[in-house]
Amino acid sequence: EVQLVQSGAEVKKPGESLKISCKGSGYSFTSYWIGWVRQMPGKGLEWMGIIYPGDSDTRYSPSFQGQVTISADKSISTAYLQWSSLKASDTAMYYCARRARNVYDAFDIWGQGTMVTVSS
Amino acid sequence: DIQLTQSPSFLSASVGDRVTITCRASQGISSYLAWYQQKPGKAPKLLIYAASTLQSGVPSRFSGSGSGTEFTLTISSLQPEDFATYYCQQLNSYPRTFGGGTKVEIK
Repeated sequence: EVQLVQSGAEVKKPGESLKISCKGSGYSFTSYWIGWVRQMPGKGLEWMGIIYPGDSDTRYSPSFQGQVTISADKSISTAYLQWSSLKASDTAMYYCARRARNVYDAFDIWGQGTMVTVSS
Repeated sequence: DIQLTQSPSFLSASVGDRVTITCRASQGISSYLAWYQQKPGKAPKLLIYAASTLQSGVPSRFSGSGSGTEFTLTISSLQPEDFATYYCQQLNSYPRTFGGGTKVEIK
């Protein structure tokens, strides 16, 4: 079964660092882009960025460039989203998703989401 | 960035109704559009890509149309399990932006 399994919920304080993960299985992890999507409480979906684990080619939304870092470790089929200094406004659900390998590259497989709460 | 505007943002309908949701792009995106369904507490699910191609396993009551700047998602006969929020996403250029969503609720 093709799936993405994300790390568990996190509760952090402002200023702390955090790295959440997304592990792929059931397919060739290095052959598909993995993206990250933010959903703030009660709000819509926001495209953050995407990485190709095969060569770590990465693209960011201008809204998130410099605010987060996307990385991947292909040896363990895992993608990451990390913050160096969290803010309260980072409180959200974060989803990873696999981008389909065709010209219409929608997200065809999604992780279950990781809830990040940042509060003092 | 390409902006996607969905309308309506909220829709109240009954089981069996035909429902249409519109997504307008701020510039032409050919057929590079996808639709997703999200139920409360769940991850989004891909319904349609290439504006009108049904993802495997998605019921045929869902259909998509359009190209350029105007797109529609139609549910031909609303079922109880279809009450959810629907999002469009453009696949034409980075960043791959989403529309604001349309919440479909039971009348």
